[in-house]
Amino acid sequence: DAGVIQSPRHEVTEMGQEVTLRCKPISGHDYLFWYRQTMMRGLELLIYFNNNVPIDDSGMPEDRFSAKMPNASFSTLKIQPSEPRDSAVYFCASSLGAVTEAFFGQGTRLTVV
Amino acid sequence: GQQLNQSPQSMFIQEGEDVSMNCTSSSIFNTWLWYKQDPGEGPVLLIALYKAGELTSNGRLTAQFGITRKDSFLNISASIPSDVGIYFCAGPTPDSWGKLQFGAGTQVVVTP
Repeated sequence: DAGVIQSPRHEVTEMGQEVTLRCKPISGHDYLFWYRQTMMRGLELLIYFNNNVPIDDSGMPEDRFSAKMPNASFSTLKIQPSEPRDSAVYFCASSLGAVTEAFFGQGTRLTVV
Repeated sequence: GQQLNQSPQSMFIQEGEDVSMNCTSSSIFNTWLWYKQDPGEGPVLLIALYKAGELTSNGRLTAQFGITRKDSFLNISASIPSDVGIYFCAGPTPDSWGKLQFGAGTQVVVTP
């Protein structure tokens, strides 16, 4: 397996634009996580899914953020409209089971100017 | 809020030295995970601990699950330049089984 695949690796966008980040989890994994990493706040869990169903979205900062998982092999994290303070590295991770090891993608570095 | 306290924040060591770092929590954890993050990459799992008192090794890395279940330690023996990176402890929060929470990380710099 190629591991967790995220796209794009880098995204630069203007304030106010819509941004969509994509993730393909490891095949067979039933949990999918979206994290955001910044210098100030470290790694923060935004939302996680179990069997494509959102379980906990309490980490989603605002209504501007939304995440979907239409099937077991694909998830998106959307920010609309984007703001400069959204600039961060966004990671997707997947795991087999809730308490087992989570495998991370390489991340998407988002810069909002 | 942040429940995992990781220390030290950073370490500057010479190649060949041993490294120790720890993670503490005010809450009991049933699982401790240690990850390493290289620049520009996602965190990679190093060691997983599932039982209080457990001591597990992975090459030059050794991690322990504290008896109180509120702490964990990671040791790196005979450090080499590729040990450079940020090391994170992580565990599921007590109130949400699937919610993996991370410590702030320990930055390790190895000089020749």
